[in-house]
Amino acid sequence: KAGVTQTPRYLIKTRGQQVTLSCSPISGHRSVSWYQQTPGQGLQFLFEYFSETQRNKGNFPGRFSGRQFSNSRSEMNVSTLELGDSALYLCASSYGTAPEVDQPQHFGDGTRLSIL
Amino acid sequence: KQEVTQIPAALSVPEGENLVLNCSFTDSAIYNLQWFRQDPGKGLTSLLLIQSSQREQTSGRLNASLDKSSGRSTLYIAASQPGDSATYLCAVRGSARQLTFGSGTQLTVLP
Repeated sequence: KAGVTQTPRYLIKTRGQQVTLSCSPISGHRSVSWYQQTPGQGLQFLFEYFSETQRNKGNFPGRFSGRQFSNSRSEMNVSTLELGDSALYLCASSYGTAPEVDQPQHFGDGTRLSIL
Repeated sequence: KQEVTQIPAALSVPEGENLVLNCSFTDSAIYNLQWFRQDPGKGLTSLLLIQSSQREQTSGRLNASLDKSSGRSTLYIAASQPGDSATYLCAVRGSARQLTFGSGTQLTVLP
């Protein structure tokens, strides 16, 4: 069974540009969550999509957005990039069952985004 | 707002030692707690998930306990090996459904 695939692995952008990151979940998983990881702030939750609908959202500005397609693949978009957006962006997938019967999330290896 | 703290931030032990990593959280209204490991340049690998109704979970040399009322969890690693070297993260899923992570414990097991 293939794992969670994130593309691209590395990206270099300049301030003011926009970027789109892609995540392909494990087959059968309907929930995709996105996280930002930085040395200073650690791992922070961005948003979760389930069956093409945003089910949960973290405390990030509106420049960060996402969507999920009917095949559960997800994209994350960041507009008007800032230096502080440099981070490892991680995607995780799961079946998306109720939290009382949670299953572990499976993470991809991330996209390393560097802003110059 | 849920806050998760992990102590110590870094730990270095000789091979073969048993060790304990600690995790504490401020809001006991959680659905579950998960332990992950992260290798350099990689994503997270789930190790153990403990539902709020459970007290512990075991997988091989790993044992995680949960005391929800006191807001604490421990990850016990028996007979540590150099391959256990990684950053260990705990995360809680609270009423907001999202995972809140600690800052991690960087473990080095010396051969």
